[in-house]
Amino acid sequence: EIVLTQSPGTLSLSPGERATLSCRASQSVSSNYLAWYQQKPGQAPRLLIFGASRRATGIPDTFSGSGSGTEFTLTINRLDPEDFAVYYCQQYGSSPYTFGQGTRLEIK
Amino acid sequence: EVQLVQSGAEVKKPGESLKISCRGSGYNFANYWIGWVRQTPGKGLEWLGILYPIDSDTRYNPSFQGQVTISADNSISTAYLHWGSLRASDTAFYYCVRPFGFPGPAQYWGQGTLVTVSS
Repeated sequence: EIVLTQSPGTLSLSPGERATLSCRASQSVSSNYLAWYQQKPGQAPRLLIFGASRRATGIPDTFSGSGSGTEFTLTINRLDPEDFAVYYCQQYGSSPYTFGQGTRLEIK
Repeated sequence: EVQLVQSGAEVKKPGESLKISCRGSGYNFANYWIGWVRQTPGKGLEWLGILYPIDSDTRYNPSFQGQVTISADNSISTAYLHWGSLRASDTAFYYCVRPFGFPGPAQYWGQGTLVTVSS
């Protein structure tokens, strides 16, 4: 199965700054089927990005995804207080689908 | 509006059986794949499997094959996750999810069901 490694484990930033989150795959992700999710305490994850770079419905353009193959990035521009949460990547190109271990984005 | 509403929290003993449910609304339930994801503090998010209700085509994560059973009742737009014999390691939050397409990311999520297995 494809192992996804996210870095950093925790990212401490201030509102208004830019966040850059990384997701590295142990092998190439088929068709760049890579998604990003946001999870806040007590809530289910929410889909942000799919197909490595396509925003899901209702997701603001401050969120962007990039990358291909084994290296993927989620960028959040101009951090809003609501953006501080845990972020997960997931590959859905190969069975079994797998998730990264998460990056916690906290307020500095 | 698409909604997935899951059954409530469960507390069970090791060896007991359990079936939790997920009712879909706001869309044609039978025509969309529906899956299950679990979340634990130790292992994070894990994909258990997925089912296509219209023909019951079911795909399991090999790590969970034989441990759980995914099924659905199209007449009441409900999917199920069933354990024949629970273990303490099954303690987790369980989410039903509806991808858009297959393969596809989890576009819609249920609110989650906490399953606690303890003697």
